[in-house]
Formats: sequence, C-alpha cells, structure tokens
Amino acid sequence: DTEVTQTPKHLVMGMTNKKSLKCEQHMGHRAMYWYKQKAKKPPELMFVYSYEKLSINESVPSRFSPECPNSSLLNLHLHALQPEDSALYLCASSQGQGAGQPQHFGDGTRLSIL
Amino acid sequence: QKEVEQNSGPLSVPEGAIASLNCTYSDRGSQSFFWYRQYSGKSPELIMSIYSNGDKEDGRFTAQLNKASQYVSLLIRDSQPSDSATYLCAVNWGFQKLVFGTGTRLLVSP
Repeated sequence: DTEVTQTPKHLVMGMTNKKSLKCEQHMGHRAMYWYKQKAKKPPELMFVYSYEKLSINESVPSRFSPECPNSSLLNLHLHALQPEDSALYLCASSQGQGAGQPQHFGDGTRLSIL
Repeated sequence: QKEVEQNSGPLSVPEGAIASLNCTYSDRGSQSFFWYRQYSGKSPELIMSIYSNGDKEDGRFTAQLNKASQYVSLLIRDSQPSDSATYLCAVNWGFQKLVFGTGTRLLVSP
C-alpha cells in the first residue's frame, strides 16, 4: 500500500462523459503531480502543483483540467476524452517543490475511453 | 532536448547474481537522480536517490553516480526472482521536473 491514495483504481468512460480522478496524501507534502503512462512507456509529466498553485502545465489538452482544493487533495477533471487518452494516470507527491525531492507515486487510475 | 537513456533489455541474470543497470543523461546541470522499480501493471516505487558523485548503498541496492561522465547506475546484489521488474532511471530537469528513461526490464531466473 502506498501513502498516496488514488481513486478510482479503474475507470471506463465514453467520449462524451465527464469524470474526475482523485488523489490524496497525508504526508504533509507541498508538491503534487499528475503523470500519464502508456503501456511500455515511462511516465510523462502533465501538471505540477506547488503549495496548491499550478506551477507547470506541460501543454496538456484542455479536456484535462487539474484542481488542487487543498494541500492534501489533487483532482483531475476529464471531459470529452479521446481513445488515445486511455492510459494509467499516476499521482505523485513530494515534500518540497524542487525536483531534488523524491516523488512518491500512488497506485494509479487505469482509464479506458470507449 | 532532455534525454535520459537506458537499455530497454531484457537484462537476464540468474538468481544470486549481481544485476547492473545503467543510465546516461544529457543535462549537465542535473543534480538529482532516482531509481524507481515498476512491476507490470503497478505504479513506480522509489528505491534509491543519489545526489553526489560516488556510491550510495541501501541493503542489496547500490547506486553509483558520475556527473563528469553523466552516468548513473544501479547494482542489485544477490538478485532474487522478486526483483524481476522494470527499473526506471529519473533525472531532474530544471527546478521541478523529473524526466524518466524508458526503463530496463530485469528478469531474474531461479
């Protein structure tokens, strides 16, 4: 079990649906991340939140909308996704905002777009 | 262009042997280096971090860093079948980003 909790573990949705992925950590970490990982590929950074503010958006399409309601929670709102968006979505957190801090991953949400 | 290179493998070693995993990176300014282990269908798990030139040991794992050669490696001693996984090298890129290599698949045979 990891200290970063992601829900749901699996999600199947149609291209017209709206859904949200949730991530929670109680380690007092101040930076949180969303990654996308396709099969047999490394994780790709999508967004970085530092002290609850969006600090990096890696040119992610607007159909992905992140939200950080407080220092423990991170959401990823999904709307009008495409089949190529099917992937494992990983949340991570680190103690501080520098990349020198190790990042700890949740178990991920496996997303399938029909 | 940010690059972290790893041999995709598979690297096959017998149980009890030393597995040696290698990683090179392109950014001379990188200061933080991490090794993650990822089992099939699971999320990456941090196993080692290293920041200074030289060796860092933790149990059966040793990370080695040579910034002049832009090279970082992971040695796994007394390899076990449970070590069979993909090992991802990650390097910081700028202040907040981590860039991952494509990973090396390790197979440890009983």
